[in-house]
Amino acid sequence: NAGVMQNPRHLVRRRGQEARLRCSPMKGHSHVYWYRQLPEEGLKFMVYLQKENIIDESGMPKERFSAEFPKEGPSILRIQQVVRGDSAAYFCASSEERGHNSPLHFGNGTRLTVT
Amino acid sequence: GNSVTQMEGPVTLSEEAFLTINCTYTATGYPSLFWYVQYPGEGLQLLLKATKADDKGSNKGFEATYRKETTSFHLEKGSVQVSDSAVYFCALTEQGAQKLVFGQGTRLTINP
Repeated sequence: NAGVMQNPRHLVRRRGQEARLRCSPMKGHSHVYWYRQLPEEGLKFMVYLQKENIIDESGMPKERFSAEFPKEGPSILRIQQVVRGDSAAYFCASSEERGHNSPLHFGNGTRLTVT
Repeated sequence: GNSVTQMEGPVTLSEEAFLTINCTYTATGYPSLFWYVQYPGEGLQLLLKATKADDKGSNKGFEATYRKETTSFHLEKGSVQVSDSAVYFCALTEQGAQKLVFGQGTRLTINP
C-alpha cells in the first residue's frame, strides 16, 4: 500500500512564477491536509480538504495561495506569483477519517526554492 | 490559542545515554498529544500518542506520559542509538479535531 505521494520532491521557481504542488493521498483516504515548514521551524497548518470541499483554510495566506482536492486526481496546492518568503518545505498528510483516532500519514514533502 | 513549546535544541548525546525532550502545551479542553519524528529528507512519522490524561504512549523504546496537571508530554528513552538521530516534534490536536499544532522541533544527534 503506497504511502502519501508528493511531487515534485524539489521545485525551483523564479520570483513571479507559479508553483504547483501535488499530493496523492493513501489509498482509501479522503481527508487531505497541507502544512508548511520554514527552515528550522515546526510545521504550520495551512488547509484541510475533503473531496471537492475545503473544510478549514484558516492557515492559508489570503492572497496568492489556493488548494483543491478534486473528485478525481491528486490534491493541488497552488502558489501564484511566488516570492522568496514562499521558500519552504510543503508537506501533505492524509487520513481515512476525521478525528484524532484516525492518524495522519505524511508525505516526504516538496521543497520549494524561490530564486 | 493552542500552542506547543519544546525544549530547544540541538541535543547531542552519546550512544546508550538517557534521553529527555521536554514538551509543554497550552490548550482549551482535552487535546490529544503526539510525538512525530522526521528523518533527514523525509516527512514526519508518528512516533507515539496519548489521547487522555495519564495515558502513556510508547513505541520503539520511546515513552511519553500525558500529564494534565503540568500540561506536559515529555519524551524519554532509556538508551538511545545512533539511528535515533532525527528531528522530534511534539504536537497536539484540539478535542474532536484533526488539525495538528506543532512545536518548533528538537534536533537530536547521537554520537557512537
